[in-house]
Order: sequence, then C-alpha cells, then structure tokens
Amino acid sequence: QVKLVESGGGVVQPGRSLRLSCAASGFTFSDNGMHWLRQAPGKGLEWVAVIWYDGGERNYADSVNGRFTISRDNSLNTLYLQMNDLRADDTAIYYCARETYPSGFSVFDSWGQGTLVTVSS
Amino acid sequence: DIQMTQSPSSLSASVGDRVAITCRASQTIVGYLNWYQQKPGEAPHLLIYGASSLQSGVPSRFSGRGSGTDFTLTISSLQPEDFATYFCQQTFSRPHTFGPGTKVEIQ
Repeated sequence: QVKLVESGGGVVQPGRSLRLSCAASGFTFSDNGMHWLRQAPGKGLEWVAVIWYDGGERNYADSVNGRFTISRDNSLNTLYLQMNDLRADDTAIYYCARETYPSGFSVFDSWGQGTLVTVSS
Repeated sequence: DIQMTQSPSSLSASVGDRVAITCRASQTIVGYLNWYQQKPGEAPHLLIYGASSLQSGVPSRFSGRGSGTDFTLTISSLQPEDFATYFCQQTFSRPHTFGPGTKVEIQ
C-alpha cells in the first residue's frame, strides 16, 4: 500500500534552516507530482509547494517563495523540502502528499503522518 | 488566489443525525471541489472529489453536490467515527486552496 513518511522536523531558531524528507513506498514514485502542505497548530491547511513527477517544474506558495525549495530524488523515492530563513509563522506540522487525477480531478489521495517544525528562539 | 469559505465553522450533532456542511468559492470553480476529513492527530483523508464522486473505501453515507461556487457535503446518518474536521479544497486553479474547516462535535 502507499506509504509516505516524513522526517526532519524539530525546533529551530528564527533565521536558521531545516530540511524535511518524505520517504515514499508502495507506488511508482516517479509517476506522481508531489506536494508539501502545512498546518499551523489548531489552524487550517495551507499548500506550500509542488514538484512535477520528473522534477521539471516546481511552484511555491507566496508565503515561502524564495525561502523554501522543493526537490525530489526519484532513484531514492524521496521528496525534500529545504527551508531557509525560517520565521515564527512557519511553525506547523508539515505533510507530504501524493497527487493523483481520478477522472481528471486533482486530489491528494495519500498523505504522510506529518512532521512538526517549531521556529522559536 | 481563489478564496474558500465554509459554514458553519463548527456544529454539534448526535449519532444518527443528518449533517450538511457548505463550502463557497470566491469565483466559479465549476466542479473542481474536494472534501477531506481530518481527525485529531491524523493527516487529512480524501472523502469526495469532483464535487460528488466518492473516493474508494469511503462509506456511502457521505455525499457531495454542487457546482460553480456553492457546494455541500452531507453525512446522511452521523456515526461515532465521523466526529472530525472537514475541509473543502478547490482544484480549479493553482494554488489549490482550502477552506478553513468545519468541526463536527458530539452533542
């Protein structure tokens, strides 16, 4: 079955960097676009970034553009999120999610369990 | 970006009740609307896509309808495992934005 496992979260000071990983299994990783989303404590869901199945295109939310970089290694079945210049409002649970297209509609049909990033001095 | 709103923000209901949650988009999204369920401490889980198509494995008591800007998620007979927060998401244009969520609590 599809499994996504995030890692790399933790407590970090403002202005520092952190890299998240998402290990995928149970499907052909290189077939799917992959996303990062986040959820601040007690808040709603915010889409963060997407990378195309082959890494050929990437898009970011305005709130992270220029500070975060999404990447993937299809040979390792792993998705990454490099987060630089972290701010307090980046504090959230970060989820990776697989995008599929049932009947042509984009959905996030599989999610990881999430990894908590806390930005605090 | 397309803004999504949901109402109510929370509701209290009993097992067996019929529950309806509304989602509205700031512009037409045709039928590009998904619904997710999230339980405390868990990741979101896809329920419905394309406004009305049930994801595989999701109980038939869940249904969705709507088009354009107004959409509804209905739970026909609330079960104990349905107490959760529900989010709508538009996928008409990127970024694929979410509604703020509706928390369904036990009355």
